[in-house]
Amino acid sequence: QSALTQPASVSGSPGQSITISCTGTRSDVGGYYYVSWYQQHPGKAPKLMIYDVSNRPSGVSNRFSGSKSGNTASLTISGLQAEDEADYYCSSYTGDSIYVFGTGTKVTVL
Amino acid sequence: QITLKESGPTLVKPTQTLTLTCSFSGFSFSTSGVGVGWIRQPPGKALEWLALLYWDDDKRYSPSLESRLTITKDTSKNQVVLTMTNMGPVDTARYYCAHRLPGVDTFDLWGQGTMVTVSS
Repeated sequence: QSALTQPASVSGSPGQSITISCTGTRSDVGGYYYVSWYQQHPGKAPKLMIYDVSNRPSGVSNRFSGSKSGNTASLTISGLQAEDEADYYCSSYTGDSIYVFGTGTKVTVL
Repeated sequence: QITLKESGPTLVKPTQTLTLTCSFSGFSFSTSGVGVGWIRQPPGKALEWLALLYWDDDKRYSPSLESRLTITKDTSKNQVVLTMTNMGPVDTARYYCAHRLPGVDTFDLWGQGTMVTVSS
């Protein structure tokens, strides 16, 4: 089970929008609508931001949105804020209750 | 309110077996669809999914680590235990347990993690 591919880093200025991609295969991202996104600040546990491709848990800002096209899922952060600076990981169900995470993306707010 | 907390040794020697415990509250394995998973993160590296245990005792493991992992639960104590055999330096990581939301294939709440170093 290979890790999903994410860009190592993405940056943007406050107020801008950025998009993080998460590329897999037909066996994971492309095959299921079970992609999640997690935010991880340094020294902290991951926090669920998006599940089932585009659903936000209660309490997560609507500045965070998710989508999927083919084998690639995306997380968009609009109105970028300093507090959004963190590592972001995607995750996908791969069938038979097996999961795989992405390689992680460091978001920098310039 | 759901909480999870990992516990176990901070240092293990190469070839030893690691035993980690996830103690949780705010949910129980009597709820259909509930699951508890384990995920690890080597220092400075990405998350890696390890195992998942469902309310009905169904178990799933990472294919690359399946031969070394065992996940069990103690329903009376609200605990999930992960054992990993034949530990090596590459297994040095922070190990997290997380709650699987019933009916949703995601981990919605995580423990703080416990750091395990493998060294002689």
